[in-house]
Amino acid sequence: AQTIHQWPVAEIKAVGSPLSLGCTIKGKSSPNLYWYWQATGGTLQQLFYSITVGQVESVVQLNLSASRPKDDQFILSTEKLLLSHSGFYLCAWSYWGGAETLYFGSGTRLTVL
Amino acid sequence: LAKTTQPPSMEAYEGQEVNVSCSHTNIATSEYIYWYRQVPHQGPQFIIQGYKDYVVNEVASLFISADRKLSTLSLPWVSLRDAAVYYCIVTDIDSGGSNAKLTFGKGTKLSVKS
Repeated sequence: AQTIHQWPVAEIKAVGSPLSLGCTIKGKSSPNLYWYWQATGGTLQQLFYSITVGQVESVVQLNLSASRPKDDQFILSTEKLLLSHSGFYLCAWSYWGGAETLYFGSGTRLTVL
Repeated sequence: LAKTTQPPSMEAYEGQEVNVSCSHTNIATSEYIYWYRQVPHQGPQFIIQGYKDYVVNEVASLFISADRKLSTLSLPWVSLRDAAVYYCIVTDIDSGGSNAKLTFGKGTKLSVKS
């Protein structure tokens, strides 16, 4: 069975500090990977997607970047956090590009102070 | 992509059957209907998908009107664990695409009382 693990579960960071969030998928080779963001009380927004190692496409620019250093790993990062980065970050995977059944992780709650 | 309209909230008691409606009047012939739900502090979870008529799985059933402009997610015997935001999403399956084209709206917040 496939599993998706996100880390950390929660972060409290200062404005201007760097950030790195991670996601690992086990049990599925070459998954499509996605990052979503949800502001408190807001809707889910897709930020990035990746179909293969080393390739990441940006969907929404929020002064964040993403990388896929390994087949099963997806990283979301920024050099300088903004207050507006606060929210719930979710990683997801799908079997193939265009498959609309996404499997989400448990998310990372980020608070920027 | 077709726009969807759902009631913002619903309430039910444990043990009741709940029907969540979704209007998608501009749905295209290439588009499918997906339902997800999200409990607080967790990621959305896929429930069911359909194209027409009636679909059922171990969690829910989905009825789609003949003109495909309306779908209804039916949850039998809801419990407190079914309290969540339910999202109706209409999107096309693009076998040549690389990005799952899921756009989450505000959904329907289902509250369940004991």
